[in-house]
Amino acid sequence: SQTIHQWPATLVQPVGSPLSLECTVEGTSNPNLYWYRQAAGRGLQLLFYSVGIGQISSEVPQNLSASRPQDRQFILSSKKLLLSDSGFYLCAWAGVFYGYTFGSGTRLTVV
Amino acid sequence: SQQGEEDPQALSIQEGENATMNCSYKTSINNLQWYRQNSGRGLVHLILIRSNEREKHSGRLRVTLDTSKKSSSLLITASRAADTASYFCATDADSWGKLQFGAGTQVVVTP
Repeated sequence: SQTIHQWPATLVQPVGSPLSLECTVEGTSNPNLYWYRQAAGRGLQLLFYSVGIGQISSEVPQNLSASRPQDRQFILSSKKLLLSDSGFYLCAWAGVFYGYTFGSGTRLTVV
Repeated sequence: SQQGEEDPQALSIQEGENATMNCSYKTSINNLQWYRQNSGRGLVHLILIRSNEREKHSGRLRVTLDTSKKSSSLLITASRAADTASYFCATDADSWGKLQFGAGTQVVVTP
């Protein structure tokens, strides 16, 4: 069965520090992968998506970047965090017939 | 930008009652999906309805889709305390599987 792992679960980082969030998928190959951000009490905003290794598309100009160094690995990064980067970050992969499978999320607080 | 808009924003009911929430969207879609999110957790896929379908059932869930009105509804029958969560609709409108989420309906089921 397909599973998705996302870590860390929570993170508190100072302004100006770097960020690296990792997401890995098991049990499938060549998945479409997505990074979303959720502000408190809000819906999800699509940040990046990837349809293959090295193929990254950005939906929103921002302080973040994404990379896909391996088929089932998707990384969200920042060189210098801003206060506005705080939020709940979710990784997901798309099944063909049954929607997304989401990771458990990372709660990022920038202080 | 958010494609889907859920209504109501919040819903409070007692166990055994039915819960109905609605979703409106703006553009043509391939499919519409509903997700549940327990507090602080990742989203869980509930049901997917394709643009050529009008109604779909899954256990205590019933989803309808009216593409002429660009709207969908999710009905949870005989609600339980465990149904307490936020519910999101999401639309798939392009060939990349990107989903646009609404802001969600927060449902509280009291015993």
